[in-house]
Amino acid sequence: GAVVSQHPSRVICKSGTSVKIECRSLDFQATTMFWYRQFPKKSLMLMATSNEGSKATYEQGVEKDKFLINHASLTLSTLTVTSAHPEDSSFYICSASRAGGTGELFFGEGSRLTVL
Amino acid sequence: AQSVTQLGSHVSVSEGALVLLRCNYSSSVPPYLFWYVQYPNQGLQLLLKYTSAATLVKGINGFEAEFKKSETSFHLTKPSAHMSDAAEYFCAVSEASGTYKYIFGTGTRLKVLA
Repeated sequence: GAVVSQHPSRVICKSGTSVKIECRSLDFQATTMFWYRQFPKKSLMLMATSNEGSKATYEQGVEKDKFLINHASLTLSTLTVTSAHPEDSSFYICSASRAGGTGELFFGEGSRLTVL
Repeated sequence: AQSVTQLGSHVSVSEGALVLLRCNYSSSVPPYLFWYVQYPNQGLQLLLKYTSAATLVKGINGFEAEFKKSETSFHLTKPSAHMSDAAEYFCAVSEASGTYKYIFGTGTRLKVLA
């Protein structure tokens, strides 16, 4: 099966610092990766779409200077929350699509960010 | 534009009873439809998917869903609920052209009563 791994699973940081979350496809090449944010007891909100080697496409209302996304290789995408504030605390989930796939996305385990 | 509506944010069933989670979609193009399950503090696990083949789709853990174009529905069912089925369930739609951009429903939390 296709496995997507996120790291770290939990991170606590001080307000004003930056935090990087990694999303890796372990056994396949991910043509596209997606980053979502999930608020408590809410659905997943798509933040951005990233393709390897190109700039991410952000959804309306998502600050691209605050949520930096890099997709440097076909197996790794990173989300950096810059100058984090308590309101950035959330559960962040990535997903990846596989070349030649049938429309299915493979999801990471999620990363819970707590900003103090 | 595509959209997904999940009726009932919370559903409670007794152990052994039928599980029915409702999902209706809106799409101007042929859709791909998915059901995912999420356990607390975890990512999403695919239960099943419809990608324009058989309209009755069987998934993991005894779940199945039927694509009904006339009703624009893709309801999830399981004949007999198990305690381990308690989780959050999300229905999602994407364009069959393969953009992989999912639109998620708001989720339904399933509670299984002993």
